[in-house]
Amino acid sequence: KQEVTQIPAALSVPEGENLVLNCSFTDSAIYNLQWFRQDPGKGLTSLLLIQSSQREQTSGRLNASLDKSSGRSTLYIAASQPGDSATYLCAVREYGNKLVFGAGTILRVKS
Amino acid sequence: DGGITQSPKYLFRKEGQNVTLSCEQNLNHDAMYWYRQDPGQGLRLIYYSQIVNDFQKGDIAEGYSVSREKKESFPLTVTSAQKNPTAFYLCASWGKDGYTFGSGTRLTVV
Repeated sequence: KQEVTQIPAALSVPEGENLVLNCSFTDSAIYNLQWFRQDPGKGLTSLLLIQSSQREQTSGRLNASLDKSSGRSTLYIAASQPGDSATYLCAVREYGNKLVFGAGTILRVKS
Repeated sequence: DGGITQSPKYLFRKEGQNVTLSCEQNLNHDAMYWYRQDPGQGLRLIYYSQIVNDFQKGDIAEGYSVSREKKESFPLTVTSAQKNPTAFYLCASWGKDGYTFGSGTRLTVV
């Protein structure tokens, strides 16, 4: 059974710092991996989608990498801002169209 | 704008009562999903549907039911058999750009 783990569970950094969020998964037979952001009491907003054949995706200050063989993905946030404070979730899409989520990393960027 | 609409935003259920959560999408996506989110846990899959008039149980389907009579709509009923229904419920659909989520319904048992 696929398991997705996110480390750290919580992170507090000063504004302007570059940071890395980690995601690992146990079964490398995935279709793609997606990073989401969730603000308190809200739904999920998609940040980046990486297909299994891709190594990384970039959007603005965000860069996500995928190493399928080792079961790892990282989300890199450059020059963090207080508005980046949220919970970040990674999820892998398995063959059969099921999405398996990690428990998330709670990020707080202090001004 | 294309997206997913969930209603209501907040819902209160009395003991022994069935309640239905609405999920509507105008993205023309075939696949739709219902997830449950509890504090400190990842999202868990309740039910999913890959095409109209067909749906499959997810990991925690007991006490829930769904229907998929139209492509745009995938309502979730929380039945009285669900012993711990208080949670945040999220609906999603899947297309070529990945998953799109609604804004959620917070269900509380009173």
